[in-house]
Amino acid sequence: GNSVTQMEGPVTLSEEAFLTINCTYTATGYPSLFWYVQYPGEGLQLLLKATKADDKGSNKGFEATYRKETTSFHLEKGSVQVSDSAVYFCALRRFYSSYKLIFGSGTRLLVRP
Amino acid sequence: NAGVTQTPKFRVLKTGQSMTLLCAQDMNHEYMYWYRQDPGMGLRLIHYSVGEGTTAKGEVPDGYNVSRLKKQNFLLGLESAAPSQTSVYFCASSYALSRQYNYYGYTFGSGTRLTVV
Repeated sequence: GNSVTQMEGPVTLSEEAFLTINCTYTATGYPSLFWYVQYPGEGLQLLLKATKADDKGSNKGFEATYRKETTSFHLEKGSVQVSDSAVYFCALRRFYSSYKLIFGSGTRLLVRP
Repeated sequence: NAGVTQTPKFRVLKTGQSMTLLCAQDMNHEYMYWYRQDPGMGLRLIHYSVGEGTTAKGEVPDGYNVSRLKKQNFLLGLESAAPSQTSVYFCASSYALSRQYNYYGYTFGSGTRLTVV
């Protein structure tokens, strides 16, 4: 079946540290891949996306590259800020056979000043 | 430009009571979804709809019913609330599945926090 696996959190970093949150997926065909972010008390917001192999999604200093050979879509940021503290969800959506986004379990990031 | 609006934002129910959560979107999206979010379990799909008048079951549909009488609204009902339904409920919407829109993903509401005591 289709699934998304994320590293367990919480991830605790100091401000300006480098961030990596690992995400791997299992899917048939060629899914689109997404990172969503959820700030405290809010709904999920689309952070970035990639629709085909080797695409790099980027937004607000975050990046993720669609790696078909390793079935991964790791989220990275070179210098995190306190305001990046949130829960990050990796997700996939298959093009032809599903209307649904499949989410990972989420990774909580806490950035300390 | 409201996007997806959920009402109410908070609610406390007693076991056995019923209630309806309302989701409204103003983006003319064809698809709408109800998820629940529980600690350590991510988001789980309850029900979804691919168009006005249609509904379908997701991963965890038991104890819930839904209706989509109008394209812009998707209602989630709890007929007899149980403590296991204590959760945060999110509604989302998206364009129909097509190559043009496939990469937009979903637009989420801000959630309804429900406690059943």
